Amino acid sequence: AQTVTQSQPEMSVQEAETVTLSCTYDTSENNYYLFWYKQPPSRQMILVIRQEAYKQQNATENRFSVNFQKAAKSFSLKISDSQLGDTAMYFCAVTNTGNQFYFGTGTSLTVIP
Amino acid sequence: DSGVTQTPKHLITATGQRVTLRCSPRSGDLSVYWYQQSLDQGLQFLIQYYNGEERAKGNILERFSAQQFPDLHSELNLSSLELGDSALYFCASSVGSGVWRDTQYFGPGTRLTVL
Repeated sequence: AQTVTQSQPEMSVQEAETVTLSCTYDTSENNYYLFWYKQPPSRQMILVIRQEAYKQQNATENRFSVNFQKAAKSFSLKISDSQLGDTAMYFCAVTNTGNQFYFGTGTSLTVIP
Repeated sequence: DSGVTQTPKHLITATGQRVTLRCSPRSGDLSVYWYQQSLDQGLQFLIQYYNGEERAKGNILERFSAQQFPDLHSELNLSSLELGDSALYFCASSVGSGVWRDTQYFGPGTRLTVL
């Protein structure tokens, strides 16, 4: 089984500042995908960004980027120019060829005006 | 809006009862996944269907069952409900059959409360 660890249960950031959410995972697979999902107060799960493990280049989506360190099994999410709408629970997830999707316990991010 | 729909939004029932949750995937998506999100267990993968057939199984209880119909909508049946089954149940869909390759798009969830 795989495990996904998000060691920061809660974080806060000033509006327009940058924040990094950490995620580590444990897998014996070589092929896998990593995801960050956002869950705002509406409870909808929204895909933020995804990274393919065999790609060394870090994925970016507008203000969101990842720092993927495969050897360290680390997959952190950087949010630049934080906006009030970024306030949400953020979940890190990993999937592999075993067709299972594993989520971390989440980090609650609050953007302070 | 992800394009995945779930009904009902809220469901309140009593212990021992049976309920059915419904999910319609995004247009063109062949896979449907079910998840349970509870306060103490986090987000748990339950089961995946691809084009009508069961594809992957997670931590799904024997009291729970699911199916995917020819029109690709899916239903999750929960029976002999217990207080601990109270949770938010998500459905997600993706284009292909491979969980590890596909991006999943989540519906808004069904909030189940068992009294």
